Amino acid sequence: DAGVIQSPRHEVTEMGQEVTLRCKPISGHDYLFWYRQTMMRGLELLIYFNNNVPIDDSGMPEDRFSAKMPNASFSTLKIQPSEPRDSAVYFCASRPSGTGDSEAFFGQGTRLTVV
Amino acid sequence: GEDVEQSLFLSVREGDSSVINCTYTDSSSTYLYWYKQEPGAGLQLLTYIFSNMDMKQDQRLTVLLNKKDKHLSLRIADTQTGDSAIYFCAIGDNRLAFGKGNQVVVIP
Repeated sequence: DAGVIQSPRHEVTEMGQEVTLRCKPISGHDYLFWYRQTMMRGLELLIYFNNNVPIDDSGMPEDRFSAKMPNASFSTLKIQPSEPRDSAVYFCASRPSGTGDSEAFFGQGTRLTVV
Repeated sequence: GEDVEQSLFLSVREGDSSVINCTYTDSSSTYLYWYKQEPGAGLQLLTYIFSNMDMKQDQRLTVLLNKKDKHLSLRIADTQTGDSAIYFCAIGDNRLAFGKGNQVVVIP
């Protein structure tokens, strides 16, 4: 398996534009997570899905952020409109059901810069 | 929600031992984890410990868990330059709560 695949790796956009980040989880993993990493706040959980259903979106900062998982192999995180303070590295992670050795695998992240 | 605290920075000489500490608030998690993030990469699971254990050793890594004090530590023996990274502790069963990470810099 190629692991969790995120695209794009880097995104530079102007304030006000819509940004869509994409994630392909590992096949067979029931859980998918979206995280945001910044120097100030560290790693924050934005939202997670179980079997394509959003379970907890309390970490989504504002209504400008939305996430979907239309099927088991694809998820998107959309920011509309984007703002400079959204600049961060966004990680997608997936894991199978269970705990302990059912580790969460992370993608390489999308570095978003909003100018 | 879960609150996970870590110290932010550690420098250590190559060959010495490193100890990274983490405290947490929620003691109901079954497992506690240590993740490593190298520059420009995502997080990778280093090791984990079951909540009813006090210690787990995995080659150069030793995890200590003090449930009474809600304190988790990671010791890296014979630290190498390749150990330079950010280390995150994480708590949780389905949803993981991460600390802000501890940057370890290994000085040759």
